[in-house]
Amino acid sequence: QKEVEQNSGPLSVPEGAIASLNCTYSDRGSQSFFWYRQYSGKSPELIMFIYSNGDKEDGRFTAQLNKASQYVSLLIRDSQPSDSATYLCAVMGGKLVFGAGTILRVKS
Amino acid sequence: GAVVSQHPSWVICKSGTSVKIECRSLDFQATTMFWYRQFPKQSLMLMATSNEGSKATYEQGVEKDKFLINHASLTLSTLTVTSAHPEDSSFYICSAPDGGRYEQYFGPGTRLTVT
Repeated sequence: QKEVEQNSGPLSVPEGAIASLNCTYSDRGSQSFFWYRQYSGKSPELIMFIYSNGDKEDGRFTAQLNKASQYVSLLIRDSQPSDSATYLCAVMGGKLVFGAGTILRVKS
Repeated sequence: GAVVSQHPSWVICKSGTSVKIECRSLDFQATTMFWYRQFPKQSLMLMATSNEGSKATYEQGVEKDKFLINHASLTLSTLTVTSAHPEDSSFYICSAPDGGRYEQYFGPGTRLTVT
């Protein structure tokens, strides 16, 4: 079992729709959870981080964490073509471990 | 957010030569920096943790004699790929946590091509 698992996608959504990205992790001791966006050929850019169970909202982005179920998700509202990228889930236990990423395509 | 720079952004070298990549934290001090490698269509893999003033900690399977890391100051870490081979061609990215925060900020990456 991989430490951090994500559906590779691609996830295709129409412009203006909600994109839902999911991630599960295996280490119950993980404390911090991050979502990064990576455009092709570029390095990751931090979008959201969440430490506590529940929801955290920042603009069009909402991160959701459920430690009991060991999953973290990212919702992107009003998706835009510029949101098309690979979204990396990362989990911090003793070190930051990345999932393989989910490709998101927003169609105009 | 905090700013991390890398130099060069891309480099092409011949097999058997060495290449040095610099990672700098521009607006904060970083006692720890991380070096990642990313092959096409794969996720980031942590290579090593660079510690200011002490030896780097390498992940399992990473050759410490091949990937030399030096963290001589609170704002600069360097990764030297020695005797590079084509299989070392990859996207190398550094990151640093901003002070006591958990978030890591990534440099723009260095694309290494070994011919």
